[in-house]
Amino acid sequence: DQQVKQNSPSLSVQEGRISILNCDYTNSMFDYFLWYKKYPAEGPTFLISISSIKDKNEDGRFTVFLNKSAKHLSLHIVPSQPGDSAVYFCAARAGGTSYGKLTFGQGTILTVHP
Amino acid sequence: DSGVTQTPKHLITATGQRVTLRCSPRSGDLSVYWYQQSLDQGLQFLIQYYNGEERAKGNILERFSAQQFPDLHSELNLSSLELGDSALYFCASSPAGTEDTQYFGPGTRLTVL
Repeated sequence: DQQVKQNSPSLSVQEGRISILNCDYTNSMFDYFLWYKKYPAEGPTFLISISSIKDKNEDGRFTVFLNKSAKHLSLHIVPSQPGDSAVYFCAARAGGTSYGKLTFGQGTILTVHP
Repeated sequence: DSGVTQTPKHLITATGQRVTLRCSPRSGDLSVYWYQQSLDQGLQFLIQYYNGEERAKGNILERFSAQQFPDLHSELNLSSLELGDSALYFCASSPAGTEDTQYFGPGTRLTVL
């Protein structure tokens, strides 16, 4: 039972254009969402997060949008740069006794071409 | 560099053996989390410790155990190893007072032959 799904295994974008990575979830108890970036042979690096009380959060070139009714979130990267090429993971945390447990999606490989 | 350190980087061992993975959290972080990343399962939460006490448990096998010491470093013990335990094991930590954002270490790659 995959509670967090990233349906696109890969995405290819031209440098300077917008990259949009999508994530769907099924557990309505999730109240906090995060995006992580991962390079080969390194641990995931925190990018940006959003609480369920918001529908948008922005940090520089990165913006995360949350649509609670659709149980969908997306990460926008504008403009995309070759250094953004990595695997992107969406993660979610439920409130209550789950504490800090994060549930991750399977990841999307982003390739930004010069 | 997240500030979370993990040792060793690589570990190669045989089936049936026991290994210990070590994690030092970021300075001041009280929570430590362990995750397993295998090819077919993605990143799976194993267990969380907060200031020395177990706080949350995921799909951690009975052959696996963890602890957090008074200096806040943590160890993950894997015993009676099987081929399927080959994976990347990540440790993460979060700032005191919040579990919102977790910062990950570089991981330990375990290969069971």
